[in-house]
Amino acid sequence: GQNIDQPTEMTATEGAIVQINCTYQTSGFNGLFWYQQHAGEAPTFLSYNVLDGLEEKGRFSSFLSRSKGYSYLLLKELQMKDSASYLCAVRGDTGFQKLVFGTGTRLLVSP
Amino acid sequence: DTEVTQTPKHLVMGMTNKKSLKCEQHMGHRAMYWYKQKAKKPPELMFVYSYEKLSINESVPSRFSPECPNSSLLNLHLHALQPEDSALYLCASSQDYTSGYEQYFGPGTRLTVT
Repeated sequence: GQNIDQPTEMTATEGAIVQINCTYQTSGFNGLFWYQQHAGEAPTFLSYNVLDGLEEKGRFSSFLSRSKGYSYLLLKELQMKDSASYLCAVRGDTGFQKLVFGTGTRLLVSP
Repeated sequence: DTEVTQTPKHLVMGMTNKKSLKCEQHMGHRAMYWYKQKAKKPPELMFVYSYEKLSINESVPSRFSPECPNSSLLNLHLHALQPEDSALYLCASSQDYTSGYEQYFGPGTRLTVT
């Protein structure tokens, strides 16, 4: 089966750093994606990890540990516009390798 | 152009109506997807088309019928829907249906079934 867990909600202050965790148990593993989704809008791609380690993209970084079934998204220098849901999605390596989304973490950035 | 477009943005339909959702991309992507998203829930995969052929049907009821007329277009035909089918329907595309290629999502069609 597929199980992807994320915290439901997080709050942080503008300018701070926040880490959003994702743990997964899936039928095989062939990559992990992070997406951002503002309320009422489409998800937008943030990052992709398939090997262990840290991927950095500007204010956003994503980390993966395949042995631990664990990833995190790190957001630095938080801005009000970062208030959104953050979705962790895992791709299995069996069947047709579909993407399975976690329940998402709603992040609220306050002044 | 990294855009996936969807029409209409909003749709209200009765349980006896027949309607269609449309999706278009001009990025040369060969994989296209339909997802259903309920409020405060993650997207749930419905269908995957790869090279214009239906590759995945996630046990979706037959009142939802997908169609891929060509590599740029994806339709979702709706008939005899139920109120519980009200949701945001998202179309997505990716370069190929293999690992490493991110999916680009359209803005969605917000469907209300009355």
